[in-house]
Amino acid sequence: AQKVTQAQTEISVVEKEDVTLDCVYETRDTTYYLFWYKQPPSGELVFLIRRNSFDEQNEISGRYSWNFQKSTSSFNFTITASQVVDSAVYFCALSEVYGNKLVFGAGTILRVKS
Amino acid sequence: DTGVSQNPRHKITKRGQNVTFRCDPISEHNRLYWYRQTLGQGPEFLTYFQNEAQLEKSRLLSDRFSAERPKGSFSTLEIQRTEQGDSAMYLCASSPRDRDYEQYFGPGTRLTVT
Repeated sequence: AQKVTQAQTEISVVEKEDVTLDCVYETRDTTYYLFWYKQPPSGELVFLIRRNSFDEQNEISGRYSWNFQKSTSSFNFTITASQVVDSAVYFCALSEVYGNKLVFGAGTILRVKS
Repeated sequence: DTGVSQNPRHKITKRGQNVTFRCDPISEHNRLYWYRQTLGQGPEFLTYFQNEAQLEKSRLLSDRFSAERPKGSFSTLEIQRTEQGDSAMYLCASSPRDRDYEQYFGPGTRLTVT
């Protein structure tokens, strides 16, 4: 069975600090996708990134970067120079290749204080 | 593009009543998903459709739950004989044919069963 673990329930940082959100996953599939979603206070889940299991290259998009390590089954997310608008719940998710149903972690609440 | 819309946004009902939620996906998205999210947890997959065909149902979807997508456009999720444990946010998502891994979520319907 697939499982996603986000061990950090809540993180608080001061604006401009860097913060890393951890994600560890379990799957028996050799091909799969990993995702990060953001859920701001308004409630609507926002897609941030998808990686497939064959692509272990790290990715950077503006202040966001993702580190995928298959050897440790981890897909961590770093926000550089955090801002108050980054305050949200962040979910890591996993899907098999076919069907694409997402298996979500429990989420990490990020609070960025000014 | 208009995003995924869900109606109603909030529903309060008494235990034992039936409720129906509606989801309108992004135009021409062929896949439509339903998830349930309880407080402090990540969304859990319920079911998904490709066009009008319901391709997968979670074990979470008891016989009191039924979902339809009759013309391959909007979808409805009905819960019969609601129980207090059904209180949750019900999320709908859709994905396009050429990027079926990318799910766009609606704002959700929050159900409270009293």
